[in-house]
Amino acid sequence: AQSVTQPDIHITVSEGASLELRCNYSYGATPYLFWYVQSPGQGLQLLLKYFSGDTLVQGIKGFEAEFKRSQSSFNLRKPSVHWSDAAEYFCAVVTVGTGRRALTFGSGTRLQVQP
Amino acid sequence: DADVTQTPRNRITKTGKRIMLECSQTKGHDRMYWYRQDPGLGLQLIYYSFDVKDINKGEISDGYSVSRQAQAKFSLSLESAIPNQTALYFCATSSSSGYSGTDTQYFGPGTRLTVL
Repeated sequence: AQSVTQPDIHITVSEGASLELRCNYSYGATPYLFWYVQSPGQGLQLLLKYFSGDTLVQGIKGFEAEFKRSQSSFNLRKPSVHWSDAAEYFCAVVTVGTGRRALTFGSGTRLQVQP
Repeated sequence: DADVTQTPRNRITKTGKRIMLECSQTKGHDRMYWYRQDPGLGLQLIYYSFDVKDINKGEISDGYSVSRQAQAKFSLSLESAIPNQTALYFCATSSSSGYSGTDTQYFGPGTRLTVL
């Protein structure tokens, strides 16, 4: 079965520091990968997605992610974190069943930003 | 106005009560989904519908039912609510694309349900 692992439950960084959130997937074929962000009291907003092609994808709010097939990873990065980035981040993969598609989510990483 | 709306936003109910959560969208999408979110577990898929006559169970459908009243409306029901159904519930929509599997899901703001 397909699965997504986010090893870090909680990360704290200082404002202006760089950020990397880890995501590992287990999938037999080429995965379709997503990063979503959930601000407090809000729904999920798509940051970026990877389907094919260039393994470095750019998203909104200055985020990027790199797909590494050899490591089964899709880590999210940002060079300089802003206080408004404090939120919970979810990695997700599309699950291929009997021709159907549905997202499988990781358990999330909560980001705290210190001034 | 929001593209994906959920009502109610908050609900407190008692064990054994029937509850309906509603989702409406103005995005014109054909696919709709219901997820629940529990702390530390991410989001789990309850049901999904790829068009009005196509409804499928997700990972955790037991204790839930759904109704796709129209392309724009997808309701989730708890026939007899129990305390472990206390969670945050999200509706999502997506559009079928020429290359299945790449459609992006858009989420509503969520409904916080508490079952006492």
